[in-house]
Amino acid sequence: EPEVTQTPSHQVTQMGQEVILRCVPISNHLYFYWYRQILGQKVEFLVSFYNNEISEKSEIFDDQFSVERPDGSNFTLKIRSTKLEDSAMYFCASSRLAGDPYEQYFGPGTRLTVT
Amino acid sequence: AQSVTQLDSQVPVFEEAPVELRCNYSSSVSVYLFWYVQYPNQGLQLLLKYLSGSTLVKSINGFEAEFNKSQTSFHLRKPSVHISDTAEYFCAVVRGGSEKLVFGKGTKLTVNP
Repeated sequence: EPEVTQTPSHQVTQMGQEVILRCVPISNHLYFYWYRQILGQKVEFLVSFYNNEISEKSEIFDDQFSVERPDGSNFTLKIRSTKLEDSAMYFCASSRLAGDPYEQYFGPGTRLTVT
Repeated sequence: AQSVTQLDSQVPVFEEAPVELRCNYSSSVSVYLFWYVQYPNQGLQLLLKYLSGSTLVKSINGFEAEFNKSQTSFHLRKPSVHISDTAEYFCAVVRGGSEKLVFGKGTKLTVNP
């Protein structure tokens, strides 16, 4: 069964460094998402992406964050200058269509630790 | 803004006992409701969803949830749980016209022998 994959599973970085989290969505999916979960808190939406553009983003997704689909398979989340409060589990998700009744398929997550 | 409340952070039960995981959401004109399950070291998997029509929706592994508009609830139930149901369960809502899933804090279900 096709699945969303994410690398790395765990990333440790120093405050102020740039990180890139990578995701390979399911191959025939057209919508891509990033969510994050700070330890002990809710899973929060960050951004959705369609047709090489951001279609929706939350107030969390400020100028420090960017997303890209550099080729036909990868979808990346970049954090330019990490802060301690960026430590969280980051989930990538994809769906065939936004109207497909919103069935989003999630990856296993990347745990980001900022020290 | 939409919000989802899962009142129980942890629910321990014995195998073959019934279970109910509670979920309430803030009211909106049109919403779509979901339950996701996360097994250890895995991603979130869709368990079941309510979009329209029958208010009772069922999953293939015996879970069911009922959309109750008047009480703004979408509680998850299973009449007899198995050890393998041990996982974290997340209730989520999407407002019509948005792509953003809004999640509750999750409920850790532990099924003991």
